[in-house]
Amino acid sequence: QVQLQQSGAELVKPGSSVKMSCKASGYTFTSYYIYWIKQRPGQGLEWIGRIGPGSGDTNYNEKFKGKATFTVDKSSSTAYMQLSSLTPEDTAVYYCARRGLSYSSLGYWGQGVMVTVSS
Amino acid sequence: DVVMTQTPVSLSVSLGGQVSISCRSSQSLVHNNGNTYLSWYLQKPGQSPQLLIYKVSNRFSGISDRFSGSGSGTDFTLKISRVEPDDLGVYYCGQGTQYPWTFGGGTKLELK
Repeated sequence: QVQLQQSGAELVKPGSSVKMSCKASGYTFTSYYIYWIKQRPGQGLEWIGRIGPGSGDTNYNEKFKGKATFTVDKSSSTAYMQLSSLTPEDTAVYYCARRGLSYSSLGYWGQGVMVTVSS
Repeated sequence: DVVMTQTPVSLSVSLGGQVSISCRSSQSLVHNNGNTYLSWYLQKPGQSPQLLIYKVSNRFSGISDRFSGSGSGTDFTLKISRVEPDDLGVYYCGQGTQYPWTFGGGTKLELK
């Protein structure tokens, strides 16, 4: 079955960077885009962007350009997202996800990574 | 960006009852290919969102037929019939027609 296993919670200082992982299993990693979504505490969902593990193709929400960087390691079926120049506004849960049966819906989600930015 | 507006913000329901959630988009969600990429998600407390409905009215794998989606263009509705305890949480609509994908602000479903 499709599974997306994300790395653990992070406590980081303002101005620093953090890199989180999303390990995929149960399907051919290179055949499906990995999407990244942000959810601030008690708030809604924000689409950060996506990466195609096979092609390396990326699409970023303009709002997150310069903030988020997507990479993949095909050998380990793992996608990564690095967030840079962190501020308290980056405190959130970050999810990775994969489409389901349709190209524009997210049928499979990781458990999320809580990133807390605090001095 | 396409703005997704959900109403109501919260909803109280009795077990076994029926509810409707509305979602409106600031622009038509009909893609150039003719498909309408409007989805519904449920986020239960402490969990990741889960996909319920895709392309307006298609139930995702394992989703009960108590959930139904309808609508077109810019106006969409999610109906939940015979509400069960496991249905409680926050419902989000989301569009995948235009980049960046965007989501509604959520509708919290609670027990009356």
